[in-house]
Amino acid sequence: DGGITQSPKYLFRKEGQNVTLSCEQNLNHDAMYWYRQDPGQGLRLIYYSQIVNDFQKGDIAEGYSVSREKKESFPLTVTSAQKNPTAFYLCASSIRGIAGELFFGEGSRLTVL
Amino acid sequence: AQRVTQPEKLLSVFKGAPVELKCNYSYSGSPELFWYVQYSRQRLQLLLRHISRESIKGFTADLNKGETSFHLKKPFAQEEDSAMYYCALSRGGGSNYKLTFGKGTLLTVNP
Repeated sequence: DGGITQSPKYLFRKEGQNVTLSCEQNLNHDAMYWYRQDPGQGLRLIYYSQIVNDFQKGDIAEGYSVSREKKESFPLTVTSAQKNPTAFYLCASSIRGIAGELFFGEGSRLTVL
Repeated sequence: AQRVTQPEKLLSVFKGAPVELKCNYSYSGSPELFWYVQYSRQRLQLLLRHISRESIKGFTADLNKGETSFHLKKPFAQEEDSAMYYCALSRGGGSNYKLTFGKGTLLTVNP
C-alpha cells in the first residue's frame, strides 16, 4: 500500500533526552513536512523539505532538528532544548508544485515524563 | 504574514440541518484555500480546495476575496460529518512549502 508511515505511534521520554520520530513515504513525493498538533492550536509547521539534502525551518523550529538524506525519509529529532515537547506530531508529504495537497501520516504522540 | 482564523472551536447541529463552518484569512497576495478534515481515528485528509470548485460529500466552499472568507457549507448535515475541520491557506503559484492552518472547528452532528 502506498502512503506515509510514522513510527512509533506512542513514545515516552524522560526530560533531558532526545528522541527521534520516523517518517517514511513510498508515494514518490518530493516534499515532506513536520507539523505539531496541540489542542486548540491547530497545526503548526516545524520543518519542511522540498528536495533531498535540503530543508527549511517552519514557524516553530526551535528545539527540533531534521535530516533529509533520502527522498523517502524525513526523521524529526525532538531535542532536550524543546521546552514543551509533549504533543502529537504529524508528518506529511506532497508532490512538489501541487500547492496545498498534503498527504498525512497517522501521527506520533510524544509524552515527556 | 499569512493567517487563518476559524472563530468557532465547537459547532453542534442536528442531523438534516444546514451547517456552515467559518474561515477567514489574511494574506496580501492571491491565496489558495483548502479545507482538511479529520474523522475520529483517521488521518487528516484534504476535503476540498477552492481552485477546483468541486463539491465533496455534499460540502461546498466559495472563496470571497472581498470578505477574505472561505466558509464551508452543507445544506443537510449527516451524523458521519462529525469531525474536526481545518481551513488552510497556501500562497498561490505552486509555493506549497507553507500551508498555514487555522485552529480547527470540531463539528458534532446530533441524531
